[in-house]
Amino acid sequence: AQKITQTQPGMFVQEKEAVTLDCTYDTSDPSYGLFWYKQPSSGEMIFLIYQGSYDQQNATEGRYSLNFQKARKSANLVISASQLGDSAMYFCAMREGRGTNAGKSTFGDGTTLTVKP
Amino acid sequence: DGGITQSPKYLFRKEGQNVTLSCEQNLNHDAMYWYRQDPGQGLRLIYYSQIVNDFQKGDIAEGYSVSREKKESFPLTVTSAQKNPTAFYLCASSISSSYNEQFFGPGTRLTVL
Repeated sequence: AQKITQTQPGMFVQEKEAVTLDCTYDTSDPSYGLFWYKQPSSGEMIFLIYQGSYDQQNATEGRYSLNFQKARKSANLVISASQLGDSAMYFCAMREGRGTNAGKSTFGDGTTLTVKP
Repeated sequence: DGGITQSPKYLFRKEGQNVTLSCEQNLNHDAMYWYRQDPGQGLRLIYYSQIVNDFQKGDIAEGYSVSREKKESFPLTVTSAQKNPTAFYLCASSISSSYNEQFFGPGTRLTVL
């Protein structure tokens, strides 16, 4: 079963505006970590932000914030003040902490973000 | 500088040949990972290693093999049993297999002719 779902194959945003990229996940493990990565056209993967399942507050890193709604199993990425350099593919990922899947990472199919000038 | 290196960046092989992709890290990370990415899709886990001399199958291990004899090295062999090996292969490492972020190499684009 798909464990990470990113329902937006492509998104457009005007430069300097905020954008939200959706991510929902599925796990029965109470201990897990959620990650967002950026992949520019060059192919490199860049870590953006992390949220632990027991973290009480939403994670923030500069212009990136993670809207974590545990009961809804969603971990949306919010990018504020979009820049042209934010145009890339964005991946949501989860790593489970216990059981047979401990240490494994699962990635979503990604969302392609295009920032318009 | 610390980081992860993958070589070569582009690799061409004839069908039926085994090929080994290199992945080296000097970050002193315990955990290492191999992913496959097909065009326009996400990453799928092939193998991962939580500690030296140990590794586990990921979601698409068939047709691939790995070794982890040294902490800094995690080579991936794409065997002739892999039905459709043409893809972009990414290696990653993390401090541990716990909740640390993964650092990725630049990737190897394998094309089987």
